[in-house]
Amino acid sequence: EAGVAQSPRYKIIEKRQSVAFWCNPISGHATLYWYQQILGQGPKLLIQFQNNGVVDDSQLPKDRFSAERLKGVDSTLKIQPAKLEDSAVYLCASSLVWGQGSYEQYFGPGTRLTVT
Amino acid sequence: QQQVKQSPQSLIVQKGGIPIINCAYENTAFDYFPWYQQFPGKGPALLIAIRPDVSEKKEGRFTISFNKSAKQFSLHIMDSQPGDSATYFCAASSPDSNYQLIWGAGTKLIIKP
Repeated sequence: EAGVAQSPRYKIIEKRQSVAFWCNPISGHATLYWYQQILGQGPKLLIQFQNNGVVDDSQLPKDRFSAERLKGVDSTLKIQPAKLEDSAVYLCASSLVWGQGSYEQYFGPGTRLTVT
Repeated sequence: QQQVKQSPQSLIVQKGGIPIINCAYENTAFDYFPWYQQFPGKGPALLIAIRPDVSEKKEGRFTISFNKSAKQFSLHIMDSQPGDSATYFCAASSPDSNYQLIWGAGTKLIIKP
């Protein structure tokens, strides 16, 4: 079974530029999560999708971050414009079912973003 | 009340030793407690998980001990190996928070040869 795929793996941009990250979850996984992980910290949830609907985006800085999952499969996270403090690893995770007792989340390798 | 407190922040153990990482929580609605292992440059990987209806779960060299009354759970690694050197995160989840994972701060474990 293929895992969660993410691209690119690394990205360096200047502040005020825009950037987009792509995620393809495990086949059949209805729930998709985007996390931000700053070095030395645990992952922080940015947004949670169930199929193509948003379950929770309360911690997404909506003035600069946006995310979509149009067909309920792959997803894109965008930052526009980027700030220095956005330097982090952006992780995508997926889980089989939400709300029916299946909690296991499987993570992709992440995209390391450096904003200069 | 949504926090999960993890300790220690870092841990160095000799090969063959048994590192123990502890987590504590306050929210009694939590009903799922996973441990994730993360190597540098990789995403977290689910290691083992427990629900509060059991006090212990073992998978290979990894064991979770769960104390519901104390609201604590811990990870034990038997016969630790240098390849176990990684950052370990505990987490907790509940139905009333969209099953989102509440993460501990992480423990950086080093196993010395």
